Amino acid sequence: KNQVEQSPQSLIILEGKNCTLQCNYTVSPFSNLRWYKQDTGRGPVSLTIMTFSENTKSNGRYTATLDADTKQSSLHITASQLSDSASYICVVSGPQGTYKYIFGTGTRLKVLA
Amino acid sequence: DSGVTQTPKHLITATGQRVTLRCSPRSGDLSVYWYQQSLDQGLQFLIQYYNGEERAKGNILERFSAQQFPDLHSELNLSSLELGDSALYFCASSVAAGINTIYFGEGSWLTVV
Repeated sequence: KNQVEQSPQSLIILEGKNCTLQCNYTVSPFSNLRWYKQDTGRGPVSLTIMTFSENTKSNGRYTATLDADTKQSSLHITASQLSDSASYICVVSGPQGTYKYIFGTGTRLKVLA
Repeated sequence: DSGVTQTPKHLITATGQRVTLRCSPRSGDLSVYWYQQSLDQGLQFLIQYYNGEERAKGNILERFSAQQFPDLHSELNLSSLELGDSALYFCASSVAAGINTIYFGEGSWLTVV
């Protein structure tokens, strides 16, 4: 069964600190992996998109990595800000060619002053 | 503001009823997606249209249907509503059907009572 699992479920960090969120998937083969940021009650906002041939992709303070061999991805947030408080969702598209989207349950991040 | 417009923002209806959710994609985007987000299921992909044609289908119930019109706006029809259909329904759009950034609207909150 195609699945996407994220860890941790929730995370609390202090402003200015770094953190790393994990995403493991069993979708195979897959077309691409996306990270989204979702504020409560709002629509998700795209952070990064990576195909199977890409290892890393950055968007400002957000850096995503992908290891297609181990089917793992991570999202690293540098110098966290209060506005980073949100849910971060990993989405894997597969099987290839059908563009179905399988969502992880997300990591809820809280950044404290 | 993503440029994706959804109406209505909130909707309360009774079980057994039918509702229609409307979506206007970003200017120039040909692909429209529908997603459902409930507390217990997280975000789920329902269906994707590209330039009026169905492109991919996810976990969309038979009681639900969607279409994309020639002017590229889309409607999601939900019928024989059940309490479990209460959720936040997102529409999203992208310029094409492939590996492109997907922009989400702010969602339509549906409450079935």
